[in-house]
Amino acid sequence: EPEVTQTPSHQVTQMGQEVILRCVPISNHLYFYWYRQILGQKVEFLVSFYNNEISEKSEIFDDQFSVERPDGSNFTLKIRSTKLEDSAMYFCASSSGGAYNEQFFGPGTRLTVL
Amino acid sequence: RKEVEQDPGPFNVPEGATVAFNCTYSNSASQSFFWYRQDCRKEPKLLMSVYSSGNEDGRFTAQLNRASQYISLLIRDSKLSDSATYLCVVNKAAGNKLTFGGGTRVLVKP
Repeated sequence: EPEVTQTPSHQVTQMGQEVILRCVPISNHLYFYWYRQILGQKVEFLVSFYNNEISEKSEIFDDQFSVERPDGSNFTLKIRSTKLEDSAMYFCASSSGGAYNEQFFGPGTRLTVL
Repeated sequence: RKEVEQDPGPFNVPEGATVAFNCTYSNSASQSFFWYRQDCRKEPKLLMSVYSSGNEDGRFTAQLNRASQYISLLIRDSKLSDSATYLCVVNKAAGNKLTFGGGTRVLVKP
């Protein structure tokens, strides 16, 4: 069964450093997403990406964040200058964009900012 | 008002019993609805989509009430492996973001 994969599974970084989180969506999917979940809180939408551009982004997704699909298979989330409050699980998801838009999630990257 | 609201629980359920819980959503323009399951520190996994006519998948039954803007999930013959957090999720349109509730925690005990 095809699945979304993410690397690394855990990233520890110092405040102010840049991090890149990587995802490989399901191969025939067209819509890609990043969500995050701070420990003990609900899953929150960050950004959606379709046809090589951002289609929607949340208030959380400020200028410190960027996304890219560099090579047709990877989908990356970059945080330019990490803050303590960026510590969270980051989930990538993809969907075929059908009428019901079922989104499938990767296992997540746990980001710890010290 | 929260966009998607759920009773956080926990619902303590004897093995073999039936448990049911709801969620409410505030955006009447929501078009598609889902129940996801999330185990501790893992990713949300799609349990089932919720259709207008209601639908069943094995021991799980989901209902949608658009007029009252709520979705329900019923689990019959609960198994220990059903212990998880159940996330109510809504989507405004195809390709759009998912909006998650805070989850309902279910603990099935022997």
